[in-house]
Amino acid sequence: RKEVEQDPGPFNVPEGATVAFNCTYSNSASQSFFWYRQDCRKEPKLLMSVYSSGNEDGRFTAQLNRASQYISLLIRDSKLSDSATYLCVVNIETGRRALTFGSGTRLQVQP
Amino acid sequence: EPEVTQTPSHQVTQMGQEVILRCVPISNHLYFYWYRQILGQKVEFLVSFYNNEISEKSEIFDDQFSVERPDGSNFTLKIRSTKLEDSAMYFCASSDSGKGHRDEAFFGQGTRLTVV
Repeated sequence: RKEVEQDPGPFNVPEGATVAFNCTYSNSASQSFFWYRQDCRKEPKLLMSVYSSGNEDGRFTAQLNRASQYISLLIRDSKLSDSATYLCVVNIETGRRALTFGSGTRLQVQP
Repeated sequence: EPEVTQTPSHQVTQMGQEVILRCVPISNHLYFYWYRQILGQKVEFLVSFYNNEISEKSEIFDDQFSVERPDGSNFTLKIRSTKLEDSAMYFCASSDSGKGHRDEAFFGQGTRLTVV
């Protein structure tokens, strides 16, 4: 089983749509969870950390389900500028700082 | 807003040559990292550096690679005797100002290494 697994997409959605991405991770002891976005040939940029209680930042909502080892990202009212690859990122082992990246889910928002 | 900066943005080198990739992490961060991304593949961890020594490294980070913090601001990755398969985007990152969200890592814009 891959350490961090994501649906590769692509997700093609119209402007204004709501879209959800899912991610699973293999190590139940994982401590920190993040969503990054990556534009083509650019660096990963931190979108948001994911907390056990769930958290929201504007149009973006992240959820963590530790029992199912599952992380989600919901984007409401999609904008053209949201088109990017969304990376699920996990600090897989307690005490380590190395981040483990999923392969990413490609989102294309269409006018 | 503070950021991680990397130079050069693109490096072309001949197979067998040595390259040094340079990074200036965010100034009050304590942990520094190198990651790489081969075209079309996922981002992979190489090494982390804390308190002037390597704190973690992956299987990719073999004897061909080394890291150094030669002064108070720069953080370098040296690749000896480059191979074709070293062609990738190399990202430097830093994290942990000692307060707030310690694990949130911020990435530089990357150095694209092409080995010919």
